[in-house]
Amino acid sequence: AQKVTQAQTEISVVEKEDVTLDCVYETRDTTYYLFWYKQPPSGELVFLIRRNSFDEQNEISGRYSWNFQKSTSSFNFTITASQVVDSAVYFCALSVSDYKLSFGAGTTVTVRA
Amino acid sequence: AAGVIQSPRHLIKEKRETATLKCYPIPRHDTVYWYQQGPGQDPQFLISFYEKMQSDKGSIPDRFSAQQFSDYHSELNMSSLELGDSALYFCASSIRDRVEKLFFGSGTQLSVL
Repeated sequence: AQKVTQAQTEISVVEKEDVTLDCVYETRDTTYYLFWYKQPPSGELVFLIRRNSFDEQNEISGRYSWNFQKSTSSFNFTITASQVVDSAVYFCALSVSDYKLSFGAGTTVTVRA
Repeated sequence: AAGVIQSPRHLIKEKRETATLKCYPIPRHDTVYWYQQGPGQDPQFLISFYEKMQSDKGSIPDRFSAQQFSDYHSELNMSSLELGDSALYFCASSIRDRVEKLFFGSGTQLSVL
């Protein structure tokens, strides 16, 4: 069975601070996909990134960066120089051969002005 | 570009009533997934369809049923509604075996009073 753990329930930062969201996953499959989604107060799920298990390269997209480490089964997400608009719930998710997603419990990020 | 369309956006029902949620996948997508997200919870997989056949089933109550039609749209039917069915229901579509083509709709917020 697949499992995604987001140990941080809530994180509160002041604008311009960096914030790192932890994600640890469990699976016996050798081929899998990892995702991050943002869910703002309006409720929709906004896709941020997808990584397959064979691609351990870190990625940077603007103020967002991701650190994928298979050795520790982690796929952490960092927001650099956070802004108020980054306030949302962030979900890490895992998909294996059946392609349905198993989500973590989510981390609520609050960025204060 | 066309996205996954869900209707209605909001739905209010009384206990023991019936509700039907609709999902229109991205054109040429043959697979549809339904997820339920309770208040403060992460999305949970309910059921999926590929080429109009049920492909996988999660924790979907027996009071719920779903189908995918010849035009690939899907409907989630919920009967004998309970207060605990109040949730955000997401539909996602993809091309089978192409998880990189997975996209979510904006969700239907169901409130059972």
